Amino acid sequence: EAQVTQNPRYLITVTGKKLTVTCSQNMNHEYMSWYRQDPGLGLRQIYYSMNVEVTDKGDVPEGYKVSRKEKRNFPLILESPSPNQTSLYFCASSFVSGGYEQYFGPGTRLTVT
Amino acid sequence: KNEVEQSPQNLTAQEGEFITINCSYSVGISALHWLQQHPGGGIVSLFMLSSGKKKHGRLIATINIQEKHSSLHITASHPRDSAVYICAVVNSGTASKLTFGTGTRLQVTL
Repeated sequence: EAQVTQNPRYLITVTGKKLTVTCSQNMNHEYMSWYRQDPGLGLRQIYYSMNVEVTDKGDVPEGYKVSRKEKRNFPLILESPSPNQTSLYFCASSFVSGGYEQYFGPGTRLTVT
Repeated sequence: KNEVEQSPQNLTAQEGEFITINCSYSVGISALHWLQQHPGGGIVSLFMLSSGKKKHGRLIATINIQEKHSSLHITASHPRDSAVYICAVVNSGTASKLTFGTGTRLQVTL
């Protein structure tokens, strides 16, 4: 089954404790992207990747890192989480770019206390 | 002013009604997406448009590039259509950047 998986689905952590949210897709997609969703603000793009070793900033990259060492995986790293990073996070992938059908992961609800 | 504006923000309809959700944008785009977010939070892609009109079942999406406007129509609405509908544009300057509207929350009652 074609899918995008994210782990963990729920996470409560404390300020400053490094964490990684994993994202994996099994569709051989070149494009992957991370978004955060906040009430009243909608979805905002954090980082995206056009292919292995090619990443770039979206609209809200501050406080986040990403890497794309393999085509299927695109982890989101919070080196020192802060409460303002409490949010619902989605990973998505598509065939080549943002101009193709987007496949979303199930979401990760992160709470930073 | 947001680059992507949706209206209405909230919409309540009775089963069977014809529904229209609007999306206006202020930037040059190469494509526009309509997404559906279920009450449980999952997001699925409904349509990707660069011109004209697309139809899938009871859903129809149209786009007018000159007017920078798109509409999503639902015919014969049903309670299972209750969800948040999100418009997203792909900026023409880069095929990688998506900008989203804040969504339209639709509730369809019996």
